[in-house]
Amino acid sequence: DAKTTQPTSMDCAEGRAANLPCNHSTISGNEYVYWYRQIHSQGPQYIIHGLKNNETNEMASLIITEDRKSSTLILPHATLRDTAVYYCIVRGLNSTSGTYKYIFGTGTRLKVLA
Amino acid sequence: DAGVTQSPTHLIKTRGQQVTLRCSPKSGHDTVSWYQQALGQGPQFIFQYYEEEERQRGNFPDRFSGHQFPNYSSELNVNALLLGDSALYLCASIRILRDIGGEQETQYFGPGTRLLVL
Repeated sequence: DAKTTQPTSMDCAEGRAANLPCNHSTISGNEYVYWYRQIHSQGPQYIIHGLKNNETNEMASLIITEDRKSSTLILPHATLRDTAVYYCIVRGLNSTSGTYKYIFGTGTRLKVLA
Repeated sequence: DAGVTQSPTHLIKTRGQQVTLRCSPKSGHDTVSWYQQALGQGPQFIFQYYEEEERQRGNFPDRFSGHQFPNYSSELNVNALLLGDSALYLCASIRILRDIGGEQETQYFGPGTRLLVL
């Protein structure tokens, strides 16, 4: 299973871009990178995912390095409501069942400061 | 369109008891996964149900069992509760999109059931 490594915590000033890094050096060629966030005591919320190309949606941008060994989630204009734990996940394939599995780490605790 | 719903929101049990947690997936989603999240940790995968069968399972003992109904809703059962089973139990329903890039799967999580075992 490809493992991800994220900083334990980060601070970001309100209105500035929040850049959350993730290392996944053992990622395989067909494994996607997913990002979720979890606001205190709620269920994780899907943010974005990608394979090789950079991706952007209404919530964030995902930048994946050319060798795919790391990625960065960018929240372009962080607000106080973006304070949460952010999880970077590599979606692996269970070769026995042919299904996908998600392995969550402990994530990055992002605190947006007023 | 209702999101993923779970019941109950909170539950208190004592050691040795049994508990059943319920989940209704988003409309159009036929696959459900269950996760356990201990305090300060990321969610840990328990198992996944599709077409009323367990499709894959994480590293959880047989005390954890599940069921999926024809309407795609699901139950998680835990027998012989231990103190260490205290956690937030999350249900996720899954949408699968297949395109030329492959199979893209997105999980949508419910709010969770917080279980306290005394």
